[in-house]
Amino acid sequence: DTGVSQNPRHKITKRGQNVTFRCDPISEHNRLYWYRQTLGQGPEFLTYFQNEAQLEKSRLLSDRFSAERPKGSFSTLEIQRTEQGDSAMYLCASSPSGTLSYNEQFFGPGTRLTVL
Amino acid sequence: KQEVTQIPAALSVPEGENLVLNCSFTDSAIYNLQWFRQDPGKGLTSLLLIQSSQREQTSGRLNASLDKSSGRSTLYIAASQPGDSATYLCAVSLRVEYGNKLVFGAGTILRVKS
Repeated sequence: DTGVSQNPRHKITKRGQNVTFRCDPISEHNRLYWYRQTLGQGPEFLTYFQNEAQLEKSRLLSDRFSAERPKGSFSTLEIQRTEQGDSAMYLCASSPSGTLSYNEQFFGPGTRLTVL
Repeated sequence: KQEVTQIPAALSVPEGENLVLNCSFTDSAIYNLQWFRQDPGKGLTSLLLIQSSQREQTSGRLNASLDKSSGRSTLYIAASQPGDSATYLCAVSLRVEYGNKLVFGAGTILRVKS
């Protein structure tokens, strides 16, 4: 399967614990995005990488959140001191370089986080 | 601030009907508009992408139109089938420094009854 993959698919944690999610984009896609989706809503943008550089961060990304993309391949999203309000589906997407008017984003299956 | 609205929020139709899903956005400065399908508890599957300079795109039984000046898009599904039951999301692509991001509507939940 050459699509976007995410691990783990589900994560249940206790409030105050740290969690880390991984995203493997489609190979050779240099753009990578993280989104968060709560129940009944559309996804909301969190952050964007071009290669290894993090170029845009949403105000939704508090200082408890950190994302990395070392070497411009896979990416990790870490949430420190989780809160119940962090419970959501975390989605990763990737897209190739090229004209932005034809920049199609391809999404992974998501990681569902439940904070107890 | 770009806002994306989808109407209706939910739709239930008998198998075989043609149907239209609506999407509106407040800022016409977009790169493109994408329609996605999302099955319960799953990720997003891209259905169609319409560039800002285009008026419509077609894929099989799906046809999406874009009127950028009025801030509207429609997704037309012909001869609906039970397998089309899912949430349909539209998203507009906006400029950010050195790239773009998607802003989504809340989706339309479609149920096709057999």
